Amino acid sequence: KQEVTQIPAALSVPEGENLVLNCSFTDSAIYNLQWFRQDPGKGLTSLLLIQSSQREQTSGRLNASLDKSSGRSTLYIAASQPGDSATYLCAVGGQTGANNLFFGTGTRLTVIP
Amino acid sequence: GAGVSQSPSNKVTEKGKDVELRCDPISGHTALYWYRQSLGQGLEFLIYFQGNSAPDKSGLPSDRFSAERTGGSVSTLTIQRTQQEDSAVYLCASSSGFPTDTQYFGPGTRLTVL
Repeated sequence: KQEVTQIPAALSVPEGENLVLNCSFTDSAIYNLQWFRQDPGKGLTSLLLIQSSQREQTSGRLNASLDKSSGRSTLYIAASQPGDSATYLCAVGGQTGANNLFFGTGTRLTVIP
Repeated sequence: GAGVSQSPSNKVTEKGKDVELRCDPISGHTALYWYRQSLGQGLEFLIYFQGNSAPDKSGLPSDRFSAERTGGSVSTLTIQRTQQEDSAVYLCASSSGFPTDTQYFGPGTRLTVL
């Protein structure tokens, strides 16, 4: 069974800093990898989707990389803002008929003004 | 356009009662997923519907859990004889059905079993 790990579990940074969130997975046979943010009491918002054939995706201040062979992904956030404070979840889509997502437990980010 | 909606947003029930949770996916999305997020744990896959195919129920934790999807759109997750360990946030997601497509999530239903 696919296992997804996110490190660190929590991170606090001052506003303006660049930061990296890490995600690792045990089975490299994946369709894709998604990064989500979850705000307290709310659902998930998709940030970036990387297909298994891609190495990275960028959206604004966010950049996600994927190294499928080593089972790793990183989410880079540039010039962090207090509004970036949330829990960031990494999820991998397995190569099964269901294509359901396997989630990590998340990194809780706090950006201090 | 409208996103995925779920109802109710919160549900408090007594142990042993049955509950029904509803999900309205994005219009035109053929794939629908249910996940569960328990306190301090990651999201756990429950069940998957794709078009008219038989659902993938491999994630359902017990036979007290069931789900149906009527007319290829709205889905209902039913939990019978609820237990305290069923307390969690239940999230629904939909996608176009193509394996590599983004899943879009609803706001979830927070279930509390007393």
